[in-house]
Amino acid sequence: EPEVTQTPSHQVTQMGQEVILRCVPISNHLYFYWYRQILGQKVEFLVSFYNNEISEKSEIFDDQFSVERPDGSNFTLKIRSTKLEDSAMYFCATVPGRTSTDTQYFGPGTRLTVL
Amino acid sequence: GENVEQHPSTLSVQEGDSAVIKCTYSDSASNYFPWYKQELGKRPQLIIDIRSNVGEKKDQRIAVTLNKTAKHFSLHITETQPEDSAVYFCAASRNYGGSQGNLIFGKGTKLSVKP
Repeated sequence: EPEVTQTPSHQVTQMGQEVILRCVPISNHLYFYWYRQILGQKVEFLVSFYNNEISEKSEIFDDQFSVERPDGSNFTLKIRSTKLEDSAMYFCATVPGRTSTDTQYFGPGTRLTVL
Repeated sequence: GENVEQHPSTLSVQEGDSAVIKCTYSDSASNYFPWYKQELGKRPQLIIDIRSNVGEKKDQRIAVTLNKTAKHFSLHITETQPEDSAVYFCAASRNYGGSQGNLIFGKGTKLSVKP
């Protein structure tokens, strides 16, 4: 069964540095999402992406965050200047999107540690 | 916006007993309610979902019920096994006409099944 993949599995960075987290959606899926989960807390929505543009974003997704599909396959999340509080697990999720009854499939996550 | 409350935060049961986890939501327009199981360090895995046109759904030992009037839904696990031990998250979203809404998660329930 196809799965969403994410790279890297773990990223350690210094505060103020830029990071790019990558997701490879399941082939032919149309809707893409980024969520984050701070250790021990619930999963929080960041942004949704459809038809090469942002559909919806949360309050967390401020000017330091951006998303894109640079080559039509990878879906990336960029954090321009990381803060300590950005340390979390970041999950990508994708949906086929052909009906209104589709399920979100989560990738394995990238653990981001900001020092 | 949508708010999802989940109870209890921790639940400990003996193997073979039943477990019930309850969630309430605030947005009456929400129409899709998945449940995810997350093992330590792993991605959330969908275990069952229900849509607003259905009141109950069952899959082997797992069942979900939805009360749209009261805006609450519950997960029922019967004949629990040690491998059911994990954190369970409920979520809600609005999916209409092919538009795939983002998931709003509850805070999770840590289920421990004692042998």
